[in-house]
Amino acid sequence: EAQVTQNPRYLITVTGKKLTVTCSQNMNHEYMSWYRQDPGLGLRQIYYSMNVEVTDKGDVPEGYKVSRKEKRNFPLILESPSPNQTSLYFCASSPWSGGNEQFFGPGTRLTVL
Amino acid sequence: QKEVEQDPGPLSVPEGAIVSLNCTYSNSAFQYFMWYRQYSRKGPELLMYTYSSGNKEDGRFTAQVDKSSKYISLFIRDSQPSDSATYLCAMTSGYSSASKIIFGSGTRLSIRP
Repeated sequence: EAQVTQNPRYLITVTGKKLTVTCSQNMNHEYMSWYRQDPGLGLRQIYYSMNVEVTDKGDVPEGYKVSRKEKRNFPLILESPSPNQTSLYFCASSPWSGGNEQFFGPGTRLTVL
Repeated sequence: QKEVEQDPGPLSVPEGAIVSLNCTYSNSAFQYFMWYRQYSRKGPELLMYTYSSGNKEDGRFTAQVDKSSKYISLFIRDSQPSDSATYLCAMTSGYSSASKIIFGSGTRLSIRP
């Protein structure tokens, strides 16, 4: 089944404790992206990647890191999480030449205490 | 002012009613318009995709774009309880993954049996 998977789905952590949210897609898509979704603010892009080893900042990159060492994986790293990073996070992927449709993962709900 | 404005609802209608969901936008460069549906605890999935002005119909769903008014709509006919979800409008200026997509904040819709 073609899909985007994220792990973990739920995470409660404390301020300053480094964490990684993994994202993997099995559709051979070039483009991958991370969003956060907050009430009233919609989906805001954190980072995106056009292909392996090519990443760039989105609208709200502060406090986040990403890497794209393999085409299928695009992990999101929070080196020192803070409470304002409590949010619902989505990973998405799309083919380079496939128009604008993005395929989203199921989401990761992160709470930083 | 946000680039894309969407009434957050919630909107509650009886089963069988016609539902109208709307977004307004400010960037006249937007040419590709999308509606995503997001069920509770799931990622968004593409529902409708239109280019430029006009209407597009798919079963019970009709997407309408009025570029002169910078206004897009999604109509749902014969609404069903399974249509209960959050609907996100999205738009972009180019046809590729490299084109930044701006999402509305979503309208929460509930269909009462």
